[in-house]
Amino acid sequence: GAGVSQSPSNKVTEKGKDVELRCDPISGHTALYWYRQSLGQGLEFLIYFQGNSAPDKSGLPSDRFSAERTGGSVSTLTIQRTQQEDSAVYLCASSSQTGLVNNEQFFGPGTRLTVL
Amino acid sequence: TQLLEQSPQFLSIQEGENLTVYCNSSSVFSSLQWYRQEPGEGPVLLVTVVTGGEVKKLKRLTFQFGDARKDSSLHITAAQPGDTGLYLCAGAQVGSQGNLIFGKGTKLSVKP
Repeated sequence: GAGVSQSPSNKVTEKGKDVELRCDPISGHTALYWYRQSLGQGLEFLIYFQGNSAPDKSGLPSDRFSAERTGGSVSTLTIQRTQQEDSAVYLCASSSQTGLVNNEQFFGPGTRLTVL
Repeated sequence: TQLLEQSPQFLSIQEGENLTVYCNSSSVFSSLQWYRQEPGEGPVLLVTVVTGGEVKKLKRLTFQFGDARKDSSLHITAAQPGDTGLYLCAGAQVGSQGNLIFGKGTKLSVKP
């Protein structure tokens, strides 16, 4: 079946502009995660959605970052007034299970964001 | 402060050699996962270890979870060029909702 898809695959924007990144999780997966991967760094957790529960936004680096998940499926990560330090690969993952054990997360290919 | 320290950061070896990658923390994790990531793709799960002292084998890869559930290692026997990639360890902290804390990764290059 189809895996996690993300669009666009690449996005180049100018400093100060807003961007929207999209994630289509695996059908039926209730949990959805956004991570950011900067050059030479590991993955940095941004936000987590689980079903109809309030999202865990504890990883968002500033109030310029926000995310929505409509209908428990597609998610959009929005970055307002982009800065050069926002340049990174943004990865989305989904999971059919939650909790701390055997929580296999399936990752999309990522969106490479470049802020000029 | 990096919660999960991975070492080495880079590793370049010849085909047939053995190698070990380490993942260390001062924190206790409920579970720890190892992922492999290739350029332009997202990470792919290799294994999850849950019990302190647990050892799991996946063909030429051996994964170990420390007794105190604070550290883990990945050992590859007789490395092959197809093993080339970025290896990431990721832990689920006790009390978290399931989001993972990732190490910075080990970039492995296996030369034929």
